[in-house]
Amino acid sequence: GQNIDQPTEMTATEGAIVQINCTYQTSGFNGLFWYQQHAGEAPTFLSYNVLDGLEEKGRFSSFLSRSKGYSYLLLKELQMKDSASYLCAVSSPSDQGGKLIFGQGTELSVKP
Amino acid sequence: DTAVSQTPKYLVTQMGNDKSIKCEQNLGHDTMYWYKQDSKKFLKIMFSYNNKELIINETVPNRFSPKSPDKAHLNLHINSLELGDSAVYFCASSQRGENEQFFGPGTRLTVL
Repeated sequence: GQNIDQPTEMTATEGAIVQINCTYQTSGFNGLFWYQQHAGEAPTFLSYNVLDGLEEKGRFSSFLSRSKGYSYLLLKELQMKDSASYLCAVSSPSDQGGKLIFGQGTELSVKP
Repeated sequence: DTAVSQTPKYLVTQMGNDKSIKCEQNLGHDTMYWYKQDSKKFLKIMFSYNNKELIINETVPNRFSPKSPDKAHLNLHINSLELGDSAVYFCASSQRGENEQFFGPGTRLTVL
């Protein structure tokens, strides 16, 4: 089966660091994505990991451990505009259609 | 300039009606997708087309019929609308062999 788990909601303070965890069990794996979705808007791409390790992009970093079926998204120097839903998604191989299988999303609230 | 566009943005209709949602991408991608996001914000794949050919159909009721007249367009027609069809429908596109998917702005469908 396909299962992707992430916390439903998190709260953090402006200027702080927050880590959003994601665990997955899928029948195929062609990388893991993190998307950001503000209320009423489309998901927008944040990061992609296919090899183990940490990918850093400005204030955002994403980590992957394929052996553990685990990823996290790290957000530093939090800003109010980072309040959004963060979606973890596993990409299936192209011979399975290359579809994205999403977790339920983590609603992050950044407070002053 | 919009990369992936959908029309309409909002659609309110009565149960039993038939409606269509249109999607167009100008990114030159060869693969397009339809996703459904329910009230709990869970985003789930419905269909995927590659070069106008259906490659994913995730056990969606046959009241839903996607149509791809060319690789830049993927429309979604829904017959005999039901209350449970109320959701936000997102179109997305990607290039086969590349993993990132680009999402349209979404169509909020409300069935009364």
